[in-house]
Amino acid sequence: DAGITQSPRHKVTETGTPVTLRCHQTENHRYMYWYRQDPGHGLRLIHYSYGVKDTDKGEVSDGYSVSRSKTEDFLLTLESATSSQTSVYFCAIKDPNTEAFFGQGTRLTVV
Amino acid sequence: DQQVKQNSPSLSVQEGRISILNCDYTNSMFDYFLWYKKYPAEGPTFLISISSIKDKNEDGRFTVFLNKSAKHLSLHIVPSQPGDSAVYFCAARGIQGAQKLVFGQGTRLTINP
Repeated sequence: DAGITQSPRHKVTETGTPVTLRCHQTENHRYMYWYRQDPGHGLRLIHYSYGVKDTDKGEVSDGYSVSRSKTEDFLLTLESATSSQTSVYFCAIKDPNTEAFFGQGTRLTVV
Repeated sequence: DQQVKQNSPSLSVQEGRISILNCDYTNSMFDYFLWYKKYPAEGPTFLISISSIKDKNEDGRFTVFLNKSAKHLSLHIVPSQPGDSAVYFCAARGIQGAQKLVFGQGTRLTINP
């Protein structure tokens, strides 16, 4: 299995609070991604990174920000959580000649 | 604007028979296609892929077919086994960008004994 760890695995938070999810890799892969999985929508890209300090928006980036200060860590922050951000979040890593490897996911509930 | 579509939310197949999962895409710039499999409470895992220069790729019980003119790909599983019960996601990669993958909605496959 690819060395990718997401933390926390589960979190319940209140509307309006900030939340940070962490993705850590030990594979030294260049690309890192944050997806959310929702029924009927599959996996949708939130933000991605193509190098340290190099990030860009995906298709559902509103309400989310990311940071990558080190190759191994990619943080996803919900500045002010809303109920619509209740979801399962997956981090993925990739190199140019590999397929994407996914973490085990973080189940986030915003109440 | 759903660029990758899996129009069947679920599929039920008898053990030993063939499972066929379908996927359609709209963006002709996609150059690489993948299938991922997902069990509950786990992350998706890579299953099989195909380049746009091919029309078929086979790996054991799994075969992916690509019809570029129809913008359609399918995954065939023969013979189907109970352990194949999972959600299957189709994904496509564009030529541009940081090798981003665009996923379909997923199809839940259930293999019945």
